[in-house]
Amino acid sequence: DGGITQSPKYLFRKEGQNVTLSCEQNLNHDAMYWYRQDPGQGLRLIYYSQIVNDFQKGDIAEGYSVSREKKESFPLTVTSAQKNPTAFYLCASRGPTYEQYFGPGTRLTVT
Amino acid sequence: KNEVEQSPQNLTAQEGEFITINCSYSVGISALHWLQQHPGGGIVSLFMLSSGKKKHGRLIATINIQEKHSSLHITASHPRDSAVYICAVDRLLAGGGADGLTFGKGTHLIIQP
Repeated sequence: DGGITQSPKYLFRKEGQNVTLSCEQNLNHDAMYWYRQDPGQGLRLIYYSQIVNDFQKGDIAEGYSVSREKKESFPLTVTSAQKNPTAFYLCASRGPTYEQYFGPGTRLTVT
Repeated sequence: KNEVEQSPQNLTAQEGEFITINCSYSVGISALHWLQQHPGGGIVSLFMLSSGKKKHGRLIATINIQEKHSSLHITASHPRDSAVYICAVDRLLAGGGADGLTFGKGTHLIIQP
């Protein structure tokens, strides 16, 4: 079955540590996105990539980094510079006619 | 002011009621999406609209491009419809392309038996 996988579902880290969230898709989509969700707020765009080896900052990119070395993979690193990293992180992709597909999400808790 | 506004924020209704959730946006768009998020967090795409009306089972979505407004309707609501419903738009960009969705804050719907 085609889709987006994110791992792990829950992740716990100590403050000051970098952590990488995985996102893999087998939909053959060019465009991929990382969003962050906080309670009471709409999802916000962190980074996006429209093609391999290219990515753009979204609205809240500070403290995050990404890579897009393969079409299928778009990992997100939450660095120690991110002041409030505890959140729910969603990876998504966009099909050729703008349809959206979402992964199951990773809930990151930093203490 | 948010570019995408949803109302109501919270809605509790009895099983069988007709439900309407509204979405207004203030930017030019290429498409509008209605999404469903269940308590576990996963998001499912319900509809993508650029004009008119779409129907899938008991769900109906409409959009009025001139008024920058969309509605999601649920007929014969059921407890399993309880979820957060999110409106999101693809902003129209000069030169085409898409830079990710812009989301409303969601409507938390509870259908009581």
